[in-house]
Amino acid sequence: EPEVTQTPSHQVTQMGQEVILRCVPISNHLYFYWYRQILGQKVEFLVSFYNNEISEKSEIFDDQFSVERPDGSNFTLKIRSTKLEDSAMYFCASSRTGDQPQHFGDGTRLSIL
Amino acid sequence: GESVGLHLPTLSVQEGDNSIINCAYSNSASDYFIWYKQESGKGPQFIIDIRSNMDKRQGQRVTVLLNKTVKHLSLQIAATQPGDSAVYFCAENGSSNTGKLIFGQGTTLQVKP
Repeated sequence: EPEVTQTPSHQVTQMGQEVILRCVPISNHLYFYWYRQILGQKVEFLVSFYNNEISEKSEIFDDQFSVERPDGSNFTLKIRSTKLEDSAMYFCASSRTGDQPQHFGDGTRLSIL
Repeated sequence: GESVGLHLPTLSVQEGDNSIINCAYSNSASDYFIWYKQESGKGPQFIIDIRSNMDKRQGQRVTVLLNKTVKHLSLQIAATQPGDSAVYFCAENGSSNTGKLIFGQGTTLQVKP
């Protein structure tokens, strides 16, 4: 069964540094998402992406965040200048349409020191 | 504001019994609901979804019930197995048509052998 894959599984970064989290969505999906989950808390929406542009973003997704689909298979989340509070699990998800089930990767654990 | 919540943080059941996990949602505009299972160290795994034009949907050993009058969603798991032990999240699409999902807090299901 096709799945969403994310790399790396764990990223440790110094505060203030840039970080790029990578995702390969399911190949025939057209909608892509990033969510985050702080330890022990619920999953929070960050951004949705369709047709090569952001379709919706949350308040968390400020100017330090950006997303890109650099080629036909990858979908990336960049945090320009990381803060301690960016430490969380970041999940990528994809779906065939905007109202079909989203399938999640196993996440990248981001630790900011 | 938008919120999706679960009534109980932890549910403990005996192996073989049926489990019922409840969820309350607040956004009347939501027309798509979805249940996810999250095991430790993994991303949310799709279980079952339901649209607002239905009040019940069945899958393999799982049933989702939707009561729009009281804005209540439940997940029933028949013959609960040790492998069902996980955190269960409900999610709704709110008033968004971009695929954004709003997650609840999660219920931990513990299955006792």
